[in-house]
Amino acid sequence: DIVMTQTPLSLSVAIGQSASISCKSSQSLKYSDGKTYLNWVFQSPGQSPKRLIYQVSKLDSGVPDRFSGTGSETDFTLKISRVEAEDLGVYYCCQGSYSPTFGGGTKLELK
Amino acid sequence: EVQLVESGGGLVQPGRSLKLSCAASGFTFSSFAMAWVRQAPKKGLEWVATITSGGSNTYYPDSVKGRFTISRDNAKSTLYLQMDSLRSEDTATYYCAKGRVPDYWGQGVMVTVSS
Repeated sequence: DIVMTQTPLSLSVAIGQSASISCKSSQSLKYSDGKTYLNWVFQSPGQSPKRLIYQVSKLDSGVPDRFSGTGSETDFTLKISRVEAEDLGVYYCCQGSYSPTFGGGTKLELK
Repeated sequence: EVQLVESGGGLVQPGRSLKLSCAASGFTFSSFAMAWVRQAPKKGLEWVATITSGGSNTYYPDSVKGRFTISRDNAKSTLYLQMDSLRSEDTATYYCAKGRVPDYWGQGVMVTVSS
């Protein structure tokens, strides 16, 4: 199974600051079709998960461009510039190049 | 608008069975693979099962293989999860999700396995 390792476990930021979350996979996520199936998923408190980014860097409809995803092969990063209160919650990376696995989650909190 | 509405959760004793349902709307259900993902209390997300669009192929992690069965009825736009031989560690909120790599999730249904 592919192991997804997220760091940090938690992140305290002030509103307006930027935040960065790392996700590393135990194997390359580049699939046989040339695409890399790495998503970022957000879960606000008490809510169901919501996909933000797919295939490393493509933003889902309605996701503000304050969010960006970068990376390749085994190393990926989610960056949030100018954090807003609605961004607080838990972020998960999720790979779909093999049977799906999730990172352990990063909790974004208010400083 | 994509909508996924789970039902069938509840309290069940260890070793017993439970069947979850997920009513889908807002997209062509028969064209998409579907999945179940669970979240134990205060824990992260864990993939539980995937079924291809036509229902001919299913996939499970080792933690539930042989005990859980995913199925679908494309005529009813409904996804199912039959859970047998339930254990305390299966206690979680179960989410129905659209796609092999989920892009939409339901609101979830709680399953508690306890005597």
